[in-house]
Amino acid sequence: SQKIEQNSEALNIQEGKTATLTCNYTNYSPAYLQWYRQDPGRGPVFLLLIRENEKEKRKERLKVTFDTTLKQSLFHITASQPADSATYLCALTNYGGATNKLIFGTGTLLAVQP
Amino acid sequence: GAVVSQHPSRVICKSGTSVKIECRSLDFQATTMFWYRQFPKQSLMLMATSNEGSKATYEQGVEKDKFLINHASLTLSTLTVTSAHPEDSSFYICSARDSTTELFFGSGTQLSVL
Repeated sequence: SQKIEQNSEALNIQEGKTATLTCNYTNYSPAYLQWYRQDPGRGPVFLLLIRENEKEKRKERLKVTFDTTLKQSLFHITASQPADSATYLCALTNYGGATNKLIFGTGTLLAVQP
Repeated sequence: GAVVSQHPSRVICKSGTSVKIECRSLDFQATTMFWYRQFPKQSLMLMATSNEGSKATYEQGVEKDKFLINHASLTLSTLTVTSAHPEDSSFYICSARDSTTELFFGSGTQLSVL
């Protein structure tokens, strides 16, 4: 069956450390993968997109890697801050998804302690 | 970035009534919009793809007569939950894509059916 899995447990880290979140997928062939941030009671906000032929993408303190052999994407936040506390969702678009239909993972709750 | 406005943000209704949720793209035209629902601590589940000027495409298991979608213009899609019941209580989120691959999400509507 098709699955997109993220750490189900909340991730607690200390301010200033690097947070690493994992997204694993099964039985998909993603054209690209995206990461979103979602705060309670709000819609997701786009953070980064990485294509299947890209290994790594960076944006300020954020870094995403994409390993199509391992079927995994890692999302890193360096020098984390309490304001980074939120749920982070990975989402992929499968090949043939003509309307850019996004399939979301279960999300990981990140809590950055001051 | 582009802005998607969703209204209302919260609605409480009695069982058996119908509720309409609006989704507008404020500064771009969206030929395709998406409707998701999200239960507490779960990920977003795509309900349907709304296509301007044509019928919506519903995901498997989503009742089209229950969740009526209308996409009458390039900037407005509406989701009507007909004859709502307590099990329809959920967080409903719309999204739209501009000319890029990025999806922009509305802020969501929390529906509570008593």
